[in-house]
Amino acid sequence: GAVVSQHPSRVICKSGTSVKIECRSLDFQATTMFWYRQFPKQSLMLMATSNEGSKATYEQGVEKDKFLINHASLTLSTLTVTSAHPEDSSFYICSAGWGASNQPQHFGDGTRLSIL
Amino acid sequence: GQQLNQSPQSMFIQEGEDVSMNCTSSSIFNTWLWYKQEPGEGPVLLIALYKAGELTSNGRLTAQFGITRKDSFLNISASIPSDVGIYFCAGRDGVQGAQKLVFGQGTRLTINP
Repeated sequence: GAVVSQHPSRVICKSGTSVKIECRSLDFQATTMFWYRQFPKQSLMLMATSNEGSKATYEQGVEKDKFLINHASLTLSTLTVTSAHPEDSSFYICSAGWGASNQPQHFGDGTRLSIL
Repeated sequence: GQQLNQSPQSMFIQEGEDVSMNCTSSSIFNTWLWYKQEPGEGPVLLIALYKAGELTSNGRLTAQFGITRKDSFLNISASIPSDVGIYFCAGRDGVQGAQKLVFGQGTRLTINP
């Protein structure tokens, strides 16, 4: 069964709205969660790495004030797309990893964000 | 950002055929992972490789971690319609779950029944 749950699976909203996406680890405590963005027919692009209880580390070119990440507990990380515009429309995917273990990352089912 | 070179980009095969795809990197990775993604869903882990030279199977799927630690391949034997999807390789510098992955561009597999 799924070990990472992502919600919502689909969002359609007006330009200027802020949208929050949740990522939960179900069977384990995820010290680290990762947020990706995926455009059609392309690979996953890492946006940021989120560590529980500390500030997220953003990849080059990703605006941290635009994409707010909070990782308040070992089972929940949230990504908020602030004042979303049509160019923010994309497929957003989270994954969770165990700190010191060699376990592979497990992914959520993604959130399809459409900004009108 | 950094990417792995994954090939082929797409494959069109007949049901029952075997499939082979591979990933190469200019730098060493200590973990190689293979994922499958279906439309509108997140990637699902197929095989994880942790040791150079390791050969691991998962049903009809077999993957190997290259001896140089700069490449990996995935084979699918006797393909069936449900194998359709996009396959991604991913490399990790270390062995810790908290370390970020580098992804290949994906191989899109289409099967003619």
